[in-house]
Amino acid sequence: GENVEQHPSTLSVQEGDSAVIKCTYSDSASNYFPWYKQELGKRPQLIIDIRSNVGEKKDQRIAVTLNKTAKHFSLHITETQPEDSAVYFCAPVAGANNLFFGTGTRLTVIP
Amino acid sequence: DSGVTQTPKHLITATGQRVTLRCSPRSGDLSVYWYQQSLDQGLQFLIQYYNGEERAKGNILERFSAQQFPDLHSELNLSSLELGDSALYFCASSARSDSKNIQYFGAGTRLSVL
Repeated sequence: GENVEQHPSTLSVQEGDSAVIKCTYSDSASNYFPWYKQELGKRPQLIIDIRSNVGEKKDQRIAVTLNKTAKHFSLHITETQPEDSAVYFCAPVAGANNLFFGTGTRLTVIP
Repeated sequence: DSGVTQTPKHLITATGQRVTLRCSPRSGDLSVYWYQQSLDQGLQFLIQYYNGEERAKGNILERFSAQQFPDLHSELNLSSLELGDSALYFCASSARSDSKNIQYFGAGTRLSVL
């Protein structure tokens, strides 16, 4: 199955700074790359995604970049706010299923 | 609200017991996934059903089983419970027509085994 790793596992930033989380995967057939956000005690929710034919996608303060050759994609959050504090999971998809979530990155934004 | 309903929200039981967790997917979604999330851990994939049939299996213990019914709701059965089974169990659903296979998660069932 897919081997998915996230780095770092924890990340603390000052409010207003940027945060970057990297996800590496092993299956070269992966063609869809989503990021999920899980706030404390809540369900995971999709926040941004990218397809394999696109290198970068932005949505306000968040962006995802993809390097298919190196098999990694990254989540970028700019101008971080306290409400960005959460655990973030990547879940690359190969074929019809995304069953392999990354190990998660706990982001803490310090006011 | 994701449209995925899980019941019960909380479950407290004793070791050796058996429980059933229930999930109703979003209207029209054919795929249901079950995940286990222990304290401060990631999402461990357990099993997937598609239109009533088992589609994929993850690290699901033999003490655990699941099924998806004709009305597409799913149940996860956990038996001979151990202390280590205490966790948050999520169900997610996705649409067959969605090529991205975005998963929509329920609020989870928190299981405490005492």
